[in-house]
Amino acid sequence: AQKVTQTQTSISVVEKTTVTMDCVYETRDSSYFLFWYKQTASGEIVFLIRQDSYKKENATVGHYSLNFQKPKSSIGLIITATQIEDSAVYFCAMNYNQGKLIFGQGTKLSIKP
Amino acid sequence: NTKITQSPRYLILGRANKSLECEQHLGHNAMYWYKQSAEKPPELMFLYNLKQLIRNETVPSRFIPECPDSSKLLLHISAVDPEDSAVYFCASSQAPTNERLFFGHGTKLSVL
Repeated sequence: AQKVTQTQTSISVVEKTTVTMDCVYETRDSSYFLFWYKQTASGEIVFLIRQDSYKKENATVGHYSLNFQKPKSSIGLIITATQIEDSAVYFCAMNYNQGKLIFGQGTKLSIKP
Repeated sequence: NTKITQSPRYLILGRANKSLECEQHLGHNAMYWYKQSAEKPPELMFLYNLKQLIRNETVPSRFIPECPDSSKLLLHISAVDPEDSAVYFCASSQAPTNERLFFGHGTKLSVL
């Protein structure tokens, strides 16, 4: 069965530091796509970054980067130089089987000044 | 985010019928309805691609989707149940496979 698991319920860090959020997934597909989305306090859901399973290089966008470890079925999100506005719930997600995007349970990130 | 608009933003219902509306201005081919219950991740309800319903997850029959044209999506709800209280998000993507999703602001449904 396809599954996405985020074990960290919440994380709190000090502003301007680096934070890593964990995500592991289960799939039998040879090709799949992994995403991270952010949900702000207002409820808005925003795409952050994506990793294609066939690409070996870790994706990077701005101060977001991924730690893709395919043998471990792991796709961690790294945020460097965190800012107060990075406080949000972060969802890991996997797209498989023609459009079914399944989400992990989410990790609530709090950035403190 | 004016690229995907949803209406209404808030909806309070007894056991009435109502429709949620969504319009995307991105020229995307795929449109989705997601349900997000409190403290839960979004869950896919329906997926349309090129106006055709291609995914219909396990959803109560009181929810009926409609895609009148490629940029609009409706969700008709009849005789709501308290378990239907949630935020309903419309989303779109260029294709229903590996493309990122753009989400609307959601409609918060509260069932009395």
